[in-house]
Amino acid sequence: QKEVEQNSGPLSVPEGAIASLNCTYSDRGSQSFFWYRQYSGKSPELIMFIYSNGDKEDGRFTAQLNKASQYVSLLIRDSQPSDSATYLCAVSSGGYNKLIFGAGTRLAVHP
Amino acid sequence: DGGITQSPKYLFRKEGQNVTLSCEQNLNHDAMYWYRQDPGQGLRLIYYSQIVNDFQKGDIAEGYSVSREKKESFPLTVTSAQKNPTAFYLCASTPQGGATGELFFGEGSRLTVL
Repeated sequence: QKEVEQNSGPLSVPEGAIASLNCTYSDRGSQSFFWYRQYSGKSPELIMFIYSNGDKEDGRFTAQLNKASQYVSLLIRDSQPSDSATYLCAVSSGGYNKLIFGAGTRLAVHP
Repeated sequence: DGGITQSPKYLFRKEGQNVTLSCEQNLNHDAMYWYRQDPGQGLRLIYYSQIVNDFQKGDIAEGYSVSREKKESFPLTVTSAQKNPTAFYLCASTPQGGATGELFFGEGSRLTVL
C-alpha cells in the first residue's frame, strides 16, 4: 500500500513566523509532488508543485524535496491568519495525474 | 467563467437508495476524477477517466459507478452497496499532457445518509 504521511497538527504559529509542514511518502518511484491548501468546507487548491530535489520558491512559499529520504516539505514565510487551513501533500503514483494524498496538516496562524 | 460544477452541494439519502452526483466541466479538459474525503483523512480516488467512453477504478471503487458519455460530464452514482457513503465528494479535472499535473476541483458535494 503506497502511503503519504503527514502530521495532522494543528500546527500553531504566530503571525509573521515561518510555518514548516512536512510529508513523507513510501513509493520510491514517485516523480511529482504537490501541496494543496484546503479551507474548511472547501475544495483543495494547488499552491506548489516540485519535481526535482532541492528547493523551489514561489512568493512566500518554498517547497523542498529530498527523494533519497522520501521527504517533501513546505515552508510558509511571514505567515498570515489567512494561511490558516489544512495543507495536503500529494504524490504521483502509477501514472499521469494519479495522486495519493496525505491526510493533511492543519495550520493555525494566530495574530 | 470556466470551471467545474458539482451538484447538488448537499444531499441527504436514506439507506438503500442510490444517488447520483453530477459533475460538469467547461475547461475542455480530457481527464476527470472522483475523490472521496472523510474527516481527518486525505482524498481517496474512486474512479477516473482519461477519455470519453473510458474510465478506470481507483482505490475505493466498490459501491460506486460512473459513466463518461461526454467530455464535459462525469457523473458518479453512489449505490446501496456502498456501506459507508456519508462523505465529502470531490470531482476534479486536468488537461491531458498538462505540464504541472494540477487538479482543478469542483466545490464538492456533501452526502449524508440518514
